[in-house]
Amino acid sequence: TQLLEQSPQFLSIQEGENLTVYCNSSSVFSSLQWYRQEPGEGPVLLVTVVTGGEVKKLKRLTFQFGDARKDSSLHITAAQTGDTGLYLCAGGRGSQGNLIFGKGTKLSVKP
Amino acid sequence: KAGVTQTPRYLIKTRGQQVTLSCSPISGHRSVSWYQQTPGQGLQFLFEYFSETQRNKGNFPGRFSGRQFSNSRSEMNVSTLELGDSALYLCASSLQGPLNRGWVTEAFFGQGTRLTVV
Repeated sequence: TQLLEQSPQFLSIQEGENLTVYCNSSSVFSSLQWYRQEPGEGPVLLVTVVTGGEVKKLKRLTFQFGDARKDSSLHITAAQTGDTGLYLCAGGRGSQGNLIFGKGTKLSVKP
Repeated sequence: KAGVTQTPRYLIKTRGQQVTLSCSPISGHRSVSWYQQTPGQGLQFLFEYFSETQRNKGNFPGRFSGRQFSNSRSEMNVSTLELGDSALYLCASSLQGPLNRGWVTEAFFGQGTRLTVV
């Protein structure tokens, strides 16, 4: 059973379009992180959200943590080709050192 | 500040052999976790070490093992390799601590070791 479900699995859009990807769970997490991974490389941390209802903005990227801390969304405004990659969400549980990852959303932004 | 370093980057092994992968965490990070990434299963947690002790373990067979040294560097070993062990193995160095009202684990990943078993 996948604890964190990400949707959609694949997304192909044109440069300049907006998009939202989702990360859902039936479990509560103490923190939630979003990562971006490019082929052949390790994931790179984009943001950490901790408080239910929290919204964080990173330039054109907006991250939201659900009120119940079970879900999150990532919205990209005016996508660029450089946004292409695999977007992973990961949940942390208290003092456990490992994160639980979703399978990711593979985003392709075409010029 | 140097990032997480994994060696080697690429490895080709034959079924039945064993392999050792190495990870040097970010200076000051005491937690090191290992993940296996495959196209079908995504990122799956192998184990986590903190101050030389295995603190958490994922659902992998005993052929997968690891250790951490006093300088926080970590190694993972896979014995009796199988074709299905072909994957990208990622090491993550973690900073943990209280943030606002939550306990946060932020993982910083190395570039990974691409293991191919033939």
